[in-house]
Amino acid sequence: DTGVSQDPRHKITKRGQNVTFRCDPISEHNRLYWYRQTLGQGPEFLTYFQNEAQLEKSRLLSDRFSAERPKGSFSTLEIQRTEQGDSAMYLCASSEQGTSNAMNTEAFFGQGTRLTVV
Amino acid sequence: AQKITQTQPGMFVQEKEAVTLDCTYDTSDPSYGLFWYKQPSSGEMIFLIYQGSYDQQNATEGRYSLNFQKARKSANLVISASQLGDSAMYFCAMKGYGQNFVFGPGTRLSVLP
Repeated sequence: DTGVSQDPRHKITKRGQNVTFRCDPISEHNRLYWYRQTLGQGPEFLTYFQNEAQLEKSRLLSDRFSAERPKGSFSTLEIQRTEQGDSAMYLCASSEQGTSNAMNTEAFFGQGTRLTVV
Repeated sequence: AQKITQTQPGMFVQEKEAVTLDCTYDTSDPSYGLFWYKQPSSGEMIFLIYQGSYDQQNATEGRYSLNFQKARKSANLVISASQLGDSAMYFCAMKGYGQNFVFGPGTRLSVLP
């Protein structure tokens, strides 16, 4: 397994355009997370999936953002009508569920998609 | 709500010396996990060490150890024998019943030759 894979690595888009990012998690991981990270800050939680179910969404995830994980494998994050404030690194991570929702399962991160809105 | 505080925006350490990076947390969950990640300039997040809230002993992983003081709600990372390659951003994170990871703002560590 090559780890968590994100595509594209970089995306430059004009304000108002829609963008879609893809994340392929580690194959046996049933949990998948999306985070946003701006320069010099820690990752901010956006949403997470257990298998195909989206279990939690942050208030940061406005109605312009939507995430899917249709078959419980890869996931997509779409941003509609992009704004300059959406410029950030978008990180995807995956983890095992562990036994009885154990707390000790670490997340493995992809290398991120850097979005620049001009 | 869970919160992670890292009060040191930047730290410097001389090569081969030990350094402690501070982390305090707040949660109402009775059970939780605490994690430290390293983010070099290349951008990838690298998992370093884990501490469970009910673990009796402090976690250790090679040169990394976690000084866990539950009553103080602190989980400081200790890096022994610092190396130039340790220069990076370091993030403390926690996971509770909500199962999402909450990260702190990070500490930038610079190792001096």
